[in-house]
Amino acid sequence: GAVVSQHPSWVICKSGTSVKIECRSLDFQATTMFWYRQFPKQSLMLMATSNEGSKATYEQGVEKDKFLINHASLTLSTLTVTSAHPEDSSFYICSLGQGGTEAFFGQGTRLTVV
Amino acid sequence: QQPVQSPQAVILREGEDAVINCSSSKALYSVHWYRQKHGEAPVFLMILLKGGEQKGHEKISASFNEKKQQSSLYLTASQLSYSGTYFCGTERGGATNKLIFGTGTLLAVQP
Repeated sequence: GAVVSQHPSWVICKSGTSVKIECRSLDFQATTMFWYRQFPKQSLMLMATSNEGSKATYEQGVEKDKFLINHASLTLSTLTVTSAHPEDSSFYICSLGQGGTEAFFGQGTRLTVV
Repeated sequence: QQPVQSPQAVILREGEDAVINCSSSKALYSVHWYRQKHGEAPVFLMILLKGGEQKGHEKISASFNEKKQQSSLYLTASQLSYSGTYFCGTERGGATNKLIFGTGTLLAVQP
């Protein structure tokens, strides 16, 4: 299966600053990656679909100007949380995989905004 | 739109069995099952692609009723390591790997 490396594992930032999260596919060329967000005691919610070489597709209710996604290569997608606020504190996780098969997840990033 | 799981939570003693249900209001192309421990990434358990399909690995198995748009996960002779939150997931738009996760079921196995 694919190996997905997500960095950082956790980050604490001040309110109003931006944070970048990286998701790397180490052994799989991923034209598509997915970003999820998970608040405490809740399910994983799909935020956006990251498309290599083109714009990301955002789910309804997700602000595209706040959550910037860049997928410049087949092995790297980044999620930047801009002007972060305490309500953005959450567990962010990326995944990739082929349709009809197992999804391969990164380790996840715990973001805390203070 | 999000699949609904039941029960929301269950507490078991080691060796007991449990069933977790996943029900969707939309047609299902596939059903994934994952287990997640606190603060960690979900761990893949199995995927069912065809209505009527049943799969199993050791003491964990699952079924998929495509007509009823439901899937069930069966845990037999539970072990302490089975503790965690279980999520079903459906692929939106067919074979896309774009997962819509269910509401989750918290399972706690006690000695």
